[in-house]
Amino acid sequence: KQEVTQIPAALSVPEGENLVLNCSFTDSAIYNLQWFRQDPGKGLTSLLLIQSSQREQTSGRLNASLDKSSGRSTLYIAASQPGDSATYLCGAGGNKLTFGTGTQLKVEL
Amino acid sequence: GAVVSQHPSRVICKSGTSVKIECRSLDFQATTMFWYRQFPKQSLMLMATSNEGSKATYEQGVEKDKFLINHASLTLSTLTVTSAHPEDSSFYICSAGADSDTQYFGPGTRLTVL
Repeated sequence: KQEVTQIPAALSVPEGENLVLNCSFTDSAIYNLQWFRQDPGKGLTSLLLIQSSQREQTSGRLNASLDKSSGRSTLYIAASQPGDSATYLCGAGGNKLTFGTGTQLKVEL
Repeated sequence: GAVVSQHPSRVICKSGTSVKIECRSLDFQATTMFWYRQFPKQSLMLMATSNEGSKATYEQGVEKDKFLINHASLTLSTLTVTSAHPEDSSFYICSAGADSDTQYFGPGTRLTVL
């Protein structure tokens, strides 16, 4: 059974700081890994999707990496902004995802 | 990009009533849709896989008679919470896939049972 862990559970950083969110998964037999953003009381916004054959994906200030062999993925956020404050979830699998419990990020002015 | 909608976005009901939530893929066909549940400050947990034209597959611990799923067309799946109780209050999110390994999430439905 797939288990996904995200650390840290919460993170508070000053504006402008670069940061890394971590996601680990126990079963490396995945089709893809996705990173999502969730604002309070809202649904999921897909940020980046990394196929199992890929090592990383980039979108703007976001970069996600995937190391299947070690069961790890990271989400790098460059030059953080207060608008980045949200909960970030990673989901591993394929069309059926197993989610971590998320990292709650707060970017302060 | 692929769009998935859910209706209603929010519903409040009395204990004992049944509530239907719709999940639609607006610009693609989805033979499979997924229903997740998220309790406050917790992650999403898969409840069931909805298969067009056949019975849904439920995850362990999810009561199939409590959470009725119907996937009558390639663009619509419904989740009915029967005889809802306060402990069923949660955020319900569906997802649909245009292909076998990518899925798109709906905006979610917040259910509050009084």
